[in-house]
Amino acid sequence: DQQVKQNSPSLSVQEGRISILNCDYTNSMFDYFLWYKKYPAEGPTFLISISSIKDKNEDGRFTVFLNKSAKHLSLHIVPSQPGDSAVYFCAASPTQGGSEKLVFGKGTKLTVNP
Amino acid sequence: EAGVTQFPSHSVIEKGQTVTLRCDPISGHDNLYWYRRVMGKEIKFLLHFVKESKQDESGMPNNRFLAERTGGTYSTLKVQPAELEDSGVYFCASSPLQAPLMEQFFGPGTRLTVL
Repeated sequence: DQQVKQNSPSLSVQEGRISILNCDYTNSMFDYFLWYKKYPAEGPTFLISISSIKDKNEDGRFTVFLNKSAKHLSLHIVPSQPGDSAVYFCAASPTQGGSEKLVFGKGTKLTVNP
Repeated sequence: EAGVTQFPSHSVIEKGQTVTLRCDPISGHDNLYWYRRVMGKEIKFLLHFVKESKQDESGMPNNRFLAERTGGTYSTLKVQPAELEDSGVYFCASSPLQAPLMEQFFGPGTRLTVL
């Protein structure tokens, strides 16, 4: 059973527009959420994270929103650039109990068209 | 600063053979993780070392997989004997003991193909 779900396998947007990537989770023990970006033949690269005590975290063009009641988070990229084209993974971590493993979604492939 | 390195980048072996993957974490990172991505699926946790100790090995598929981290530096993941379903990309990640953003730094991965 998948605890972290990214229901859109792909997303295509125009350069300069907003990209919105969505993620849902089922485990209420998750209290830290991260977004990773992955280019082909490379490992995932950390992008931005959010703790469950917050509902928004912003870093430059990237903003992550967390809705705990809906068990939903989203990553907004504004404005989108062609270099943002990559696979984006949502990940969650239950920090309680000493476990720091990341539970990943299947990823969403973002294509930003010039 | 050097990132997480993994060796080899690719490995093609036959079913029944043994393969050993190596991971060198970022210097000073006490946490070391192994993950695996089977084609088209999510990246799945295998195990977590804190220094040389196994903190969590709940994701290890079966006893054909053996991970070690002697001396708390680099780690190896041995698959013996390899089966077809072991094919995938094996990622290693590391982080300091107190990572403020909880981020883990990933290596480029080892692509394992079992024929």
